[in-house]
Amino acid sequence: QIQLVQSGPELKKPGESVKISCKASGYTFTNYGMYWVKQAPGQGLQYMGWINTETGKPTYADDFKGRFVFFLETSASTAYLQINNLKNEDMATYFCARNYYFDYWGQGVMVTVSS
Amino acid sequence: DIQMTQSPPSLSASLGDKVTITCQASQNINKYIAWYQQKPGKAPRQLIRYTSTLVSGTPSRFSGSGSGRDYSFSISNVESEDIASYYCLQYDNLPRTFGGGTKLELK
Repeated sequence: QIQLVQSGPELKKPGESVKISCKASGYTFTNYGMYWVKQAPGQGLQYMGWINTETGKPTYADDFKGRFVFFLETSASTAYLQINNLKNEDMATYFCARNYYFDYWGQGVMVTVSS
Repeated sequence: DIQMTQSPPSLSASLGDKVTITCQASQNINKYIAWYQQKPGKAPRQLIRYTSTLVSGTPSRFSGSGSGRDYSFSISNVESEDIASYYCLQYDNLPRTFGGGTKLELK
């Protein structure tokens, strides 16, 4: 069955970096784009961007240009989100989602930013 | 960017009620709208795509309709397991955009 399994919760200090993984199984990884979604505590869903799993080309939404990086380890069917220079406002749960209409989702990774 | 205006932000219903949530897009999205259910601490789950196509496993009490800029999502005969937040997503254009969400509570 199709699954997206994400890495575990993270506790980081402001200014640090975090790397979140999203491992896909049950389908051909390169056939579907991978999308990233942020959900701040008690808030709605915010689109961050996507990565073309065939070419590795990332596309970022405007609010996520600069400190956010999407990349792949195609041999491991895994997509990554790295956030550099963490800020308090990055504290959220981050989801990966498959396909241009977000049919399957990872379980989410809670990132806590606290000094 | 396409804005998705979802209403109401919250909804109170009794078991067995019919409830309806709407999403209005800032431009025509050609029926490329999906609806998701999210329970606390869980990932969103897709229920409907392309306006009215039920995803495998979605109970038939869920339905969707609409065209152009205006779309709706309904639950007929609300059950206790339907208590959750619901979001629309337009996937006609990049960047994808979500509605603000609707929290369904029991009256």
